[in-house]
Amino acid sequence: GAVVSQHPSWVICKSGTSVKIECRSLDFQATTMFWYRQFPKQSLMLMATSNEGSKATYEQGVEKDKFLINHASLTLSTLTVTSAHPEDSSFYICSASSGQTGELFFGEGSRLTVL
Amino acid sequence: LAKTTQPISMDSYEGQEVNITCSHNNIATNDYITWYQQFPSQGPRFIIQGYKTKVTNEVASLFIPADRKSSTLSLPRVSLSDTAVYYCLVGDSPTSGTYKYIFGTGTRLKVLA
Repeated sequence: GAVVSQHPSWVICKSGTSVKIECRSLDFQATTMFWYRQFPKQSLMLMATSNEGSKATYEQGVEKDKFLINHASLTLSTLTVTSAHPEDSSFYICSASSGQTGELFFGEGSRLTVL
Repeated sequence: LAKTTQPISMDSYEGQEVNITCSHNNIATNDYITWYQQFPSQGPRFIIQGYKTKVTNEVASLFIPADRKSSTLSLPRVSLSDTAVYYCLVGDSPTSGTYKYIFGTGTRLKVLA
């Protein structure tokens, strides 16, 4: 089946630094990708919809200047957490669909820890 | 977007059939019902999707009544490895190009030996 890959799978950074997470669709083109955030023991929270070649659409309450999303190609979307703080520590997950089936494919997730 | 309601948690024993019901009273005409499974520190994995009546694949069955206001995921003969969180999602099919999936609380299933 279709595969979505995220990199890095985990990252530790100091407070105030920026971290970039990549999401790739390995065997299909994805015009739309989604970014979720998940805190321990909680459900996934949709952060934004990433659209290839245009600006991302952010959910209410998500700071677009803090969570920069770039979808420069049909197989790559990136999420940059700018000036990260400990409260940004979370599990970030991306997803995409090939549009061929009714299935939404999820990446393995990226665990961010901000010290 | 239609909101879903599921039991927070369920316990079962190995070899039993597990049925997890999801309520989605505000489901729209174009909405599909999709179930995902998530293990700790992993992304969700697709289980099954349906629109109405019954859908079956190699791992589960999905029962949807005529009014589509609820759905039941059925896992036959669960094993310890089925311990996970199960999410019911309602939204346009990804083939529509206008979908957006919002996750509810999910059901934490624990399978006991």
